[in-house]
Amino acid sequence: DAGVIQSPRHEVTEMGQEVTLRCKPISGHNSLFWYRQTMMRGLELLIYFNNNVPIDDSGMPEDRFSAKMPNASFSTLKIQPSEPRDSAVYFCASSLMGGKETQYFGPGTRLLVL
Amino acid sequence: AQSVAQPEDQVNVAEGNPLTVKCTYSVSGNPYLFWYVQYPNRGLQFLLKYITGDNLVKGSYGFEAEFNKSQTSFHLKKPSALVSDSALYFCAVRGIRRALTFGSGTRLQVQP
Repeated sequence: DAGVIQSPRHEVTEMGQEVTLRCKPISGHNSLFWYRQTMMRGLELLIYFNNNVPIDDSGMPEDRFSAKMPNASFSTLKIQPSEPRDSAVYFCASSLMGGKETQYFGPGTRLLVL
Repeated sequence: AQSVAQPEDQVNVAEGNPLTVKCTYSVSGNPYLFWYVQYPNRGLQFLLKYITGDNLVKGSYGFEAEFNKSQTSFHLKKPSALVSDSALYFCAVRGIRRALTFGSGTRLQVQP
């Protein structure tokens, strides 16, 4: 059984470039979450979706960040333009709403913006 | 607002000894409480959760956690620590807002 899949695992880019992170949730899960982990702020929610619809995006830092979920098996988190302070590990997690509500995390994407 | 506090940045314990990693929470309504473990350069792995029922919850790898409503605590425990348990442990709470709010993490170091 495949878990949550994220790509790329590592990304190094230069300031000002567009970055796209990808996530495939566990099949059958209907909730998807994007989190960011930094030394300074720990783990924090960016946005989450229920049935492909964004429910809470209050954690999205600013307009440079956008997230989409065009279908139940795919989501993207885009940063445009990227800045050095966006350097972090970005995690995607999925769960079954109305079920046991356990969120299962992907391996993360380690982003470095130079 | 919901919040989680993990008062210890690091816990050191000798192999074979019992371990406790502390967590207190604040949330409106009934809490869903979780423990996750993170190994270096890896994602978070689910250990156990409390939703309702028995206050002592058993999870993966011999870990358990005790829910105490009056003290708003959910401490993680294991009777006998292993060197391989050394990792970063996160407590999290889910209240009305379905997303998890995480504590700052506690690094567990088990010495041989």
